[in-house]
Amino acid sequence: GQSLEQPSEVTAVEGAIVQINCTYQTSGFYGLSWYQQHDGGAPTFLSYNALDGLEETGRFSSFLSRSDSYGYLLLQELQMKDSASYFCAVGQTDSWGKLQFGAGTQVVVTP
Amino acid sequence: NAGVTQTPKFQVLKTGQSMTLQCAQDMNHNSMYWYRQDPGMGLRLIYYSASEGTTDKGEVPNGYNVSRLNKREFSLRLESAAPSQTSVYFCASSDETRNFFEQYFGPGTRLTVT
Repeated sequence: GQSLEQPSEVTAVEGAIVQINCTYQTSGFYGLSWYQQHDGGAPTFLSYNALDGLEETGRFSSFLSRSDSYGYLLLQELQMKDSASYFCAVGQTDSWGKLQFGAGTQVVVTP
Repeated sequence: NAGVTQTPKFQVLKTGQSMTLQCAQDMNHNSMYWYRQDPGMGLRLIYYSASEGTTDKGEVPNGYNVSRLNKREFSLRLESAAPSQTSVYFCASSDETRNFFEQYFGPGTRLTVT
């Protein structure tokens, strides 16, 4: 089987930095991706890591440590529009094409 | 480009009724997916289609059937709806030649079964 754990909620003020952690237990791990979902909206792809290290895309960065079965999404210079749910998702080599999503982290940005 | 479109946006069914959720994509993607999302939870894969003519079960396939009609369209059918199938249903697609981790989602269908 496999499991994904991420915090249920994080609150931060505008301009701050938020780190959303994701730990996973899965056989045949291939990679980790992150999605953003605003209330009532569709999930949108943010980033993907297959190798250890940091991937940067504008204000958002994602990190992966395969040896620690751990990754995180870093949101910098928080803006009100970043208030949303963020999901990590893992893919396995023996389930090619399928993603397993975590339960999501609600990020609340306050003025 | 419209991306991924889904119909209907909202639907209310009585227990035992059947319905088909429609999904189409105009990005020439090979892979298409159906997910359900329950309140406060992540997305759970119902069925997956790697290419036209192929389908595969996901995590929660019971009570559902799918049809990959052509490369563009992937439909989800509930033969006999149950209250446990009340959920938001998302269709998604991805380009296998690039990366299946990067999926594009439709706006969702909000289904209530009474």
